Amino acid sequence: DTAVSQTPKYLVTQMGNDKSIKCEQNLGHDTMYWYKQDSKKFLKIMFSYNNKELIINETVPNRFSPKSPDKAHLNLHINSLELGDSAVYFCASSPLRQATNEKLFFGSGTQLSVL
Amino acid sequence: AQKVTQAQTEISVVEKEDVTLDCVYETRDTTYYLFWYKQPPSGELVFLIRRNSFDEQNEISGRYSWNFQKSTSSFNFTITASQVVDSAVYFCALIEVNTGFQKLVFGTGTRLLVSP
Repeated sequence: DTAVSQTPKYLVTQMGNDKSIKCEQNLGHDTMYWYKQDSKKFLKIMFSYNNKELIINETVPNRFSPKSPDKAHLNLHINSLELGDSAVYFCASSPLRQATNEKLFFGSGTQLSVL
Repeated sequence: AQKVTQAQTEISVVEKEDVTLDCVYETRDTTYYLFWYKQPPSGELVFLIRRNSFDEQNEISGRYSWNFQKSTSSFNFTITASQVVDSAVYFCALIEVNTGFQKLVFGTGTRLLVSP
């Protein structure tokens, strides 16, 4: 069974559209994240939720809205998509909010292409 | 602010060569954790190692070894007798404890190409 699963794996859409990426973890972890990897492979954190509470918001445009209906899910909704949003988006989870001795478990990524 | 620098953008080697990937970090915190992740062509991120700032012992795992030196703020990764399957992008990353949250900051990655 996949520990952290994201859907869809590929997403191609037009500028101006609204789209969502879903993420689910079956590890029982309390904390989930969204990372963005740009075309140069640079990985940067966007958001983090702990038990449905937003704990990290890294100056991401407000067109991006994460939603966590429960601690096992963290979805990413993007409004009015722009060309610059094209990237690979990774979901991740970890056991505890301050568990810096734990590693992050990453999903396999969602490649978003905005045309 | 914390920062991770991987100065080598791309390295090309021939199979069986040894290769070292450099990682230099900056942090004001005395307690922190360092990581290496591998991203093969398939795109997923694979955890390789975690090291805390109080443990400067080098680590070896098969053909992989890591050299952590606080004096130079470096956490270098060596692959011995490289294989084609080692071809990937490798990321060094850092977490500072005092941020209170597990905010993993990545370097820009080093692409390793191993040819037969």
